[in-house]
Amino acid sequence: DTGVSQDPRHKITKRGQNVTFRCDPISEHNRLYWYRQTLGQGPEFLTYFQNEAQLEKSRLLSDRFSAERPKGSFSTLEIQRTEQGDSAMYLCASSLASALVSPLHFGNGTRLTVT
Amino acid sequence: KNEVEQSPQNLTAQEGEFITINCSYSVGISALHWLQQHPGGGIVSLFMLSSGKKKHGRLIATINIQEKHSSLHITASHPRDSAVYICAALGGGADGLTFGKGTHLIIQP
Repeated sequence: DTGVSQDPRHKITKRGQNVTFRCDPISEHNRLYWYRQTLGQGPEFLTYFQNEAQLEKSRLLSDRFSAERPKGSFSTLEIQRTEQGDSAMYLCASSLASALVSPLHFGNGTRLTVT
Repeated sequence: KNEVEQSPQNLTAQEGEFITINCSYSVGISALHWLQQHPGGGIVSLFMLSSGKKKHGRLIATINIQEKHSSLHITASHPRDSAVYICAALGGGADGLTFGKGTHLIIQP
């Protein structure tokens, strides 16, 4: 068990560019969550998957954001036409089952800076 | 939408002190998570509870469902406990957690 890994750790991009982040959850975990965290704030829920199905999306997830988990294993989060307000830490977490009954395991995050 | 409030926002204490961090939420929940975040972003799950009390080492978490309140206690605090502690509530039929802003704890030697 290597834990949840996220790639890249840091991404600097210019406004208007597209970026894609990857999350590899713990292998047997069915649930995968994406969160966003800005400085001094707690994480905010973006979306989650049960296997390959995207079951819930936050209103924070504008149409510039898309997430996939094509084979129920790794997931990608893409932001199109980045804006400076997208600068944040993007966190991925996985769990064996619902957060009602299972603890979350977090990756170290991808820090995005939009210049 | 559940509103999750933590207090205090910042806490500085001396090594050995008993620490209490509070979390209150506005809507009835199914579960509450306590998390620890160290500088650099890594988040570790400490507790998940839906009733009563849980203990792990020097950490104790309690929850009062009727009062919509949870506390995290640290006994015999140590500088390595310095971190941001975040509570997150789950409820309302959604599986997405609602997080508090965190309590920034510094334990001085």
